[in-house]
Amino acid sequence: AQSVSQHNHHVILSEAASLELGCNYSYGGTVNLFWYVQYPGQHLQLLLKYFSGDPLVKGIKGFEAEFIKSKFSFNLRKPSVQWSDTAEYFCAVFEGSQGNLIFGKGTKLSVKP
Amino acid sequence: GAVVSQHPSRVICKSGTSVKIECRSLDFQATTMFWYRQFPKQSLMLMATSNEGSKATYEQGVEKDKFLINHASLTLSTLTVTSAHPEDSSFYICSAPGLGVSGNTIYFGEGSWLTVV
Repeated sequence: AQSVSQHNHHVILSEAASLELGCNYSYGGTVNLFWYVQYPGQHLQLLLKYFSGDPLVKGIKGFEAEFIKSKFSFNLRKPSVQWSDTAEYFCAVFEGSQGNLIFGKGTKLSVKP
Repeated sequence: GAVVSQHPSRVICKSGTSVKIECRSLDFQATTMFWYRQFPKQSLMLMATSNEGSKATYEQGVEKDKFLINHASLTLSTLTVTSAHPEDSSFYICSAPGLGVSGNTIYFGEGSWLTVV
């Protein structure tokens, strides 16, 4: 079975700092990868996804992620975070043909103003 | 764009009662919907796959008689927590695969906070 690991439980940054959140998955075949964000009190929103093609994926709100097959990784990055980026971030991988997602445990990001 | 709506967003019920949570795809048809549960400080875990016109498929360890799922139409799936107990208090969220601007994607409802007292 596939699994997803997010190594950082809680990341605290100051505004304008650069962000990189780690995500590793276990499956060695073709993968579809996602990053979701959950702002306090709100529902999950899709930040970006990778299905195929360019391994550097750009998402909303200035986020990007790079798929590195050899490292089984799909790290999320943002050059300069803002206070409004404070949220919990989940990495997820597709399992099966019908769209079931397996989520990592999430990384809470706190950005200090 | 495609939207999945979930209702209610918050519900408090007494122990032993049942509560129903609805998940609707608003502008697309979803033959399959997924129900997840998120306990505090933990990640989302798949509970079951809801299939329109047929029985739901439950993940290991999820009691199908306790968490009743009905996918009566192409736009509606319901999760009923029967004989609720305080340990059922959790965040329940549904999702449905759809066709986004750049291909297949997954859409999530707003989630439902269940508190059993």
